[in-house]
Amino acid sequence: DIVMTQSPASLAVSLGERATINCKSSQSVLYSSNNKNYLAWYQQKPGQPPKLLIYWASTRESGVPDRFSGSGSGTDFTLTISSLQAEDVAVYYCQQYYNTPHTFGQGTKLEIK
Amino acid sequence: QVQLVQSGSELKKPGASVKVSCKASGYTFTSYAMNWVRQAPGQGLEWMGWINTNTGNPTYAQGFKGRFVFSLDTSVSTAYLQISSLKAEDTAVYFCARESGSYYSYWGQGTLVTVSS
Repeated sequence: DIVMTQSPASLAVSLGERATINCKSSQSVLYSSNNKNYLAWYQQKPGQPPKLLIYWASTRESGVPDRFSGSGSGTDFTLTISSLQAEDVAVYYCQQYYNTPHTFGQGTKLEIK
Repeated sequence: QVQLVQSGSELKKPGASVKVSCKASGYTFTSYAMNWVRQAPGQGLEWMGWINTNTGNPTYAQGFKGRFVFSLDTSVSTAYLQISSLKAEDTAVYFCARESGSYYSYWGQGTLVTVSS
């Protein structure tokens, strides 16, 4: 199984500042035949289901604010929120869908400083 | 618009069974795989497996083989998760999630299953 490791486990950032969350996979999730990284990011607020933010490591889902961006390739990935808003307080998860089981990272809890 | 609507919360005794439903609308049900994800209280997301909505063939993650069964009723665009011989550690929120190119674009609202004597 591919193990997904997120860091940090929790993060406190001031409003308007940048937030960066890292995700590392135990093996590459880059599929060479199409040059796509099978990596997604989700946001989960209390009492709600996860919401897809980013797929293919860097493609923003429709309707997601452009302050959210994803980067990285192979085994190392980053979710960046360029200017933190109050509504961004949530837990963020990365997930690989390169092969089954589609494993998730353990989550990063983002709070306002 | 695409919607996944799950059945309501359940309170069950240890040893009982439960069946959670996930009714899809707004798209052709058999065109996209359905996944199931578990979230224990205060914990992260755990992939349970998926079901091919075209063939009905299920695939289970290692920790979900035996007591967990995925099924379909395509006539009503509904996927089901049945858990038998419930244990306290099965207490969790269970989500269905529809794939789009393998990532999960749409999620049900979640169903809380509580196992307690």
